[in-house]
Amino acid sequence: AQSVTQLDSHVSVSEGTPVLLRCNYSSSYSPSLFWYVQHPNKGLQLLLKYTSAATLVKGINGFEAEFKKSETSFHLTKPSAHMSDAAEYFCVVSDSPGGSWGKLQFGAGTQVVVTP
Amino acid sequence: GAVVSQHPSRVICKSGTSVKIECRSLDFQATTMFWYRQFPKQSLMLMATSNEGSKATYEQGVEKDKFLINHASLTLSTLTVTSAHPEDSSFYICSADLESTSGTYEQYFGPGTRLTVT
Repeated sequence: AQSVTQLDSHVSVSEGTPVLLRCNYSSSYSPSLFWYVQHPNKGLQLLLKYTSAATLVKGINGFEAEFKKSETSFHLTKPSAHMSDAAEYFCVVSDSPGGSWGKLQFGAGTQVVVTP
Repeated sequence: GAVVSQHPSRVICKSGTSVKIECRSLDFQATTMFWYRQFPKQSLMLMATSNEGSKATYEQGVEKDKFLINHASLTLSTLTVTSAHPEDSSFYICSADLESTSGTYEQYFGPGTRLTVT
């Protein structure tokens, strides 16, 4: 069984300050982990993914996440927030073996607000 | 590359009617597609896994007779909401599996379809 918990439903940051979105997971296997962003009325965009390679994963738009097995965490960070980062962010886990992402389990989402 | 489209993007229908939503992989073939449902300000919930040429696999609690899924080709899966009711109003999102050059599969998501049942 797999599950994912996003610890913050809402995060508000000032433009130019760091962003931290927290995610904890549970998985029966070696998990694959992802962060997706969803802008209002838009589809999901993959920010980054961890699939058992390097534990520090760099993604698009300056985001990165670190896989910490001992803490079962996969927190998303960005050094400096931009107004365009305002969106909903989803942490996602998959523990399907065989290289296929298979069923994805989505977290509840974190709404990010960026203030000028 | 790896673009998934959905049609229509928005649809309004009357209660009791049926609505069909299409999901297409535009530049790749997808043996497996997935259908998700997202309620306002909530997360995505997997409804079913659609495999080309075979019956879809539905998640627990999803009525297969209400949400008909057809994956007739490697580039098209359809979701038909039969006898729609206002509680079926939601954002429906599909995704398609694509095998990468490393041999693993990646999911690409469509832009979603907003269904409103009046």
